[in-house]
Amino acid sequence: GEDVEQSLFLSVREGDSSVINCTYTDSSSTYLYWYKQEPGAGLQLLTYIFSNMDMKQDQRLTVLLNKKDKHLSLRIADTQTGDSAIYFCAETPDDYKLSFGAGTTVTVRA
Amino acid sequence: GAGVSQSPSNKVTEKGKDVELRCDPISGHTALYWYRQRLGQGLEFLIYFQGNSAPDKSGLPSDRFSAERTGESVSTLTIQRTQQEDSAVYLCASSLGQGTNIQYFGAGTRLSVL
Repeated sequence: GEDVEQSLFLSVREGDSSVINCTYTDSSSTYLYWYKQEPGAGLQLLTYIFSNMDMKQDQRLTVLLNKKDKHLSLRIADTQTGDSAIYFCAETPDDYKLSFGAGTTVTVRA
Repeated sequence: GAGVSQSPSNKVTEKGKDVELRCDPISGHTALYWYRQRLGQGLEFLIYFQGNSAPDKSGLPSDRFSAERTGESVSTLTIQRTQQEDSAVYLCASSLGQGTNIQYFGAGTRLSVL
């Protein structure tokens, strides 16, 4: 089974904020990542956070990290139709390979 | 190249045939990874190459799967005697192999085994 867990679906109204949650298992992960996958495309890195940080903001994206609970979240402000995609959380259980969650499908409705 | 390039983008094959998937990483990236994505699922790690070190093959699901990489350039993933359960998208990524080690992904090869 997967070590990284995410909710499978999220529906949000255009203009609202989206929050995607993730729990991971490996407390030694140095970095945690959020990737976006649009239909028929590969994965695009959205943002990442170093494990000694608890928050990172990048334009409309805010990442929150709670190391004690091994919980990671991604908030997208002012969600747009172009944000409709699958979002993957990933941890680094060793120095290189990524361990992914199953992905959260975000649907933005008008 | 500007990004990670994979070919073919789609491959349809008959059960029992062998297939070869190709990945051309970003120039200068010493690390290269193969992942498999089954429909509706996350990515499963298959294999990792770093420079001239021995590859980490711990994710390969069976001995029908193998991969090669020449130096720090192109890699090929070979699946012998394909089975229907091999149907998936095969994604390749490359990275600098140090620091934040951000992995950049290709668009993938969609393999359908009939």
